[in-house]
Amino acid sequence: DQQVKQNSPSLSVQEGRISILNCDYTNSMFDYFLWYKKYPAEGPTFLISISSIKDKNEDGRFTVFLNKSAKHLSLHIVPSQPGDSAVYFCAASASGGSYIPTFGRGTSLIVHP
Amino acid sequence: GAGVSQSPSNKVTEKGKDVELRCDPISGHTALYWYRQSLGQGLEFLIYFQGNSAPDKSGLPSDRFSAERTGGSVSTLTIQRTQQEDSAVYLCASSSLGHGAKVDSPLHFGNGTRLTVT
Repeated sequence: DQQVKQNSPSLSVQEGRISILNCDYTNSMFDYFLWYKKYPAEGPTFLISISSIKDKNEDGRFTVFLNKSAKHLSLHIVPSQPGDSAVYFCAASASGGSYIPTFGRGTSLIVHP
Repeated sequence: GAGVSQSPSNKVTEKGKDVELRCDPISGHTALYWYRQSLGQGLEFLIYFQGNSAPDKSGLPSDRFSAERTGGSVSTLTIQRTQQEDSAVYLCASSSLGHGAKVDSPLHFGNGTRLTVT
């Protein structure tokens, strides 16, 4: 049973527009959430994170929103750039547990020029 | 600075053979993780090492899989009697996070070893 779900396997966006990537989780013990970005033939790289005590965290063009009651988070990229084309993984961990992040299956983002 | 290094980058092996995958974590990182990504799948947790504590092996899919971490640094993932379903990209990551710490720390991944079992 997947505890972290990314229901959209792919997303296509025009350059300059907003990209919104979604993630749902089922484990109420999760209190720390991260987004990773992965290019082909490379390992995932950390992008942005959010703690459950916040509902928003912003870093430049990237903003993560957390809705704890809905067990939902989203990553907004504004404006989207062709270099943002990659697979984005959502991950969650529980501070009261082992800190082993659970990952979703990823969403492939394509930003068209 | 040096990141997480994995070797080999690619490995093709025949079904039934044993393979060893190596991971050099970032110096000073106490936590080390192995994940794998099969075609079209997400990152599947395999095993976690934290300092001198007993490893968390809860993600290992079968007893053909084992891993060790010598001297708190380099780790080797061994797959015995490989099967075709073992074909995947095996990713190693490290972090400075201590078990039970109050502040999380992101994982730093290597580029992975692509294992193909023929």
